[in-house]
Amino acid sequence: DQQVKQNSPSLSVQEGRISILNCDYTNSMFDYFLWYKKYPAEGPTFLISISSIKDKNEDGRFTVFLNKSAKHLSLHIVPSQPGDSAVYFCAAMGNNAGNMLTFGGGTRLMVKP
Amino acid sequence: EPEVTQTPSHQVTQMGQEVILRCVPISNHLYFYWYRQILGQKVEFLVSFYNNEISEKSEIFDDQFSVERPDGSNFTLKIRSTKLEDSAMYFCASSEQGSFGYGYTFGSGTRLTVV
Repeated sequence: DQQVKQNSPSLSVQEGRISILNCDYTNSMFDYFLWYKKYPAEGPTFLISISSIKDKNEDGRFTVFLNKSAKHLSLHIVPSQPGDSAVYFCAAMGNNAGNMLTFGGGTRLMVKP
Repeated sequence: EPEVTQTPSHQVTQMGQEVILRCVPISNHLYFYWYRQILGQKVEFLVSFYNNEISEKSEIFDDQFSVERPDGSNFTLKIRSTKLEDSAMYFCASSEQGSFGYGYTFGSGTRLTVV
């Protein structure tokens, strides 16, 4: 049951260029979407989120775009920096009492100097 | 910056043994969670806990699992009789409120290895 999917297991970009990480979901009951970043031996760290009533949210170098009709969201990082190299997880939340997050499988981003 | 602290960082246990994973959530947070990540797989929700009771749990969280907030600061996950397939990274998290992930802070995880 893959309600949240990240189809690219890895992505390599040059420092200074744009990184685009993609995420698709199937459950139309999801109404909040989040991106987390994870380094080895650490827990996921919250990056940026977007409500289903918006189509874009920006925070510094990070922008998340949501296309509800396509059930697709993307994370843009610009400019990419070597310190951005990590695994990025897309997650989604529906209107449930337990605040449960459903995660995608992750995309490993490598930013080359 | 406030942290969620998990101990131990690595636990090795024999199959069939009980194990308790410990977490100290951020002090003013009200919601507590356990997630796990089996090697090479997704991060999966196990359980959420609010107001001293379970608010939601997944299919994974069967009768072998239990959670407790024994003393107002710790939040524990107990696995009664561990199986090989329980080997995973277990993450504790906490949040201030039902805050759609905003204040959702994860700990660094406990790697559980069942042999």
